[in-house]
Amino acid sequence: QLVLTQSPSASASLGASVKLTCTLSSGHSGYAIAWLQQQPDKGPRFLMKLNSDGSHFKGDGFPDRFSGSTSGAERYLTISSLQSEDEADYYCQTWGTGIQVFGGGTKLTVL
Amino acid sequence: QVQLVQSGAEVKKPGSSVKVSCKAFGGTFSRFAVSWLRQAPGQGLEWMGGIVPIFGTTAFAQKFQGRVTITADESTSTAYMDLSSLRSEDTAVYYCARERAYYDDTSIGYYPDAFHIWGQGTMVTVSS
Repeated sequence: QLVLTQSPSASASLGASVKLTCTLSSGHSGYAIAWLQQQPDKGPRFLMKLNSDGSHFKGDGFPDRFSGSTSGAERYLTISSLQSEDEADYYCQTWGTGIQVFGGGTKLTVL
Repeated sequence: QVQLVQSGAEVKKPGSSVKVSCKAFGGTFSRFAVSWLRQAPGQGLEWMGGIVPIFGTTAFAQKFQGRVTITADESTSTAYMDLSSLRSEDTAVYYCARERAYYDDTSIGYYPDAFHIWGQGTMVTVSS
């Protein structure tokens, strides 16, 4: 079964870096994912599509501070030089034959 | 720049139905899948189903099969989501989202991809 696992919360200080993780279920390590950002009281926004080889396509308006990487079944989103507006929920999303799957989301707090 | 604009908030009685629209402005409507998703208060995102407008191909999450209908009108670049037999647990913000994959004339079927462009959301409240 295709499942994505995310930690419920993360925090880091203003100006620091943070690495969020999304883990694909066993047998699905070759899947691409997407990262979505949802700021408080706003709708989701496409951040990037991240392929299993680490190549990625970023959404409009996201600076180079946002980057993606992979290792096996893990997909990462690294945000550097954290700013207050980066405080948001971050969801990973993947897809299989005829289905779409979301991780539970990580709430990022910028201290 | 493609933009998706959804219809306004709805308040419905349990047992009734709701129909939400999603109109695309700019770009090519028919050759990109449009999915419907929802987010209950304080909860995460949940995919309900999607449609490829040019072929009318649909796919649904098992949870919603038989209760949700998704259609698309190519002439007005509008997708619709109809949810029936509403209950209080259906209270949520409903989103439409366009996926990244482009469908040419040979790609009949539904090939899921990342949700690239989102509508602004429609609040549906189910209450007696």
